[in-house]
Amino acid sequence: DGGITQSPKYLFRKEGQNVTLSCEQNLNHDAMYWYRQDPGQGLRLIYYSQIVNDFQKGDIAEGYSVSREKKESFPLTVTSAQKNPTAFYLCASSRGHGNTIYFGEGSWLTVV
Amino acid sequence: AQTVTQSQPEMSVQEAETVTLSCTYDTSENNYYLFWYKQPPSRQMILVIRQEAYKQQNATENRFSVNFQKAAKSFSLKISDSQLGDTAMYFCAFMITSGTYKYIFGTGTRLKVLA
Repeated sequence: DGGITQSPKYLFRKEGQNVTLSCEQNLNHDAMYWYRQDPGQGLRLIYYSQIVNDFQKGDIAEGYSVSREKKESFPLTVTSAQKNPTAFYLCASSRGHGNTIYFGEGSWLTVV
Repeated sequence: AQTVTQSQPEMSVQEAETVTLSCTYDTSENNYYLFWYKQPPSRQMILVIRQEAYKQQNATENRFSVNFQKAAKSFSLKISDSQLGDTAMYFCAFMITSGTYKYIFGTGTRLKVLA
């Protein structure tokens, strides 16, 4: 079945450590996105990529990094520079930038 | 600034009844898409319905329909014959169809369907 797979579902990180969240899609979508969701807030865009080897900062990119070496993969690294990383992270993709986006199941990151 | 406002943090409805979730937005753009996404307890965001701003006809998807009032910048979601599986957070969003094509999301309405 086509879809977007995020892993791991739950992740615990010690302060000062970097952690990478995986996002893979087999929908043949060109565009991919990372959003952060905090309680009582809507989704906020971290990074997006319209094509392979290209990505753009969203509204809250500080403390995060991404890569887009393959069309189907868009991993997100939460670095130690991110001040408050505990959150729910959603990966999404769309056929092209400007088309309807579809979401993965999300990853919970907790800093302990 | 472009914003989406969902003024109802929580709502409840009896099973089989109808409920309407409100959404207003603010933009100076003329061309955009509007969306309702559902986030059940599993937390996966699921597209419920989409409306193109240039279309006057309100979108419908089975039990879900919208009331799109472009001049008032209002985009409400009506759920008919509510089912227990409709219990979820519902997010309203819009996307400008030019430039950055950025999505703007509201803060969500938590809907509980009561048996």
